[in-house]
Amino acid sequence: NAGVMQNPRHLVRRRGQEARLRCSPMKGHSHVYWYRQLPEEGLKFMVYLQKENIIDESGMPKERFSAEFPKEGPSILRIQQVVRGDSAAYFCASSLDTAKPQHFGDGTRLSIL
Amino acid sequence: ELKVEQNPLFLSMQEGKNYTIYCNYSTTSDRLYWYRQDPGKSLESLFVLLSNGAVKQEGRLMASLDTKARLSTLHITAAVHDLSATYFCAVDNSTLGRLYFGRGTQLTVWP
Repeated sequence: NAGVMQNPRHLVRRRGQEARLRCSPMKGHSHVYWYRQLPEEGLKFMVYLQKENIIDESGMPKERFSAEFPKEGPSILRIQQVVRGDSAAYFCASSLDTAKPQHFGDGTRLSIL
Repeated sequence: ELKVEQNPLFLSMQEGKNYTIYCNYSTTSDRLYWYRQDPGKSLESLFVLLSNGAVKQEGRLMASLDTKARLSTLHITAAVHDLSATYFCAVDNSTLGRLYFGRGTQLTVWP
């Protein structure tokens, strides 16, 4: 049973470009969470999605950031017009439901030049 | 907002020694998790603690939970080099499932 799959593992963008991060949850999991980790910090919640619905986006910046989890395909975290401060590791986690443990992917390390 | 504090943030210890990492959280929570993270890697789940007084052990690591004090501990017994990593505690809001993480404890075990 494959775990949570994130790609790419590393992503380099120049300031002003767009970054797209993908997350395929574990098989059977319909709950997806995105977290951001800055260097030497803990993970900070960004957004929680179920299929086709954003349930909680209270941790996501209001501008430039968006997330989706379509009926078919992976969840996407999109960052438009990236800035240096967006450099971080972005982790996706999935679960069967909110009461079950979350399983984490390997993360996408985003670097902004 | 739920706050999670870990201490110490950095821990350097000699092989064979014992030590405890502490995790305090600010409001009632249903579950507490301990994770391990190696540099550049994802988070590996170590323990899930569900109730007051819960104690779980795996190898040289033992975790406990005191919900009244809102405190969890991760005790390391006779440390070995392979335990060097960053350890995070996290608590959840079971209504929505989001996890609140501490800043992590960077553990280095030296010979």
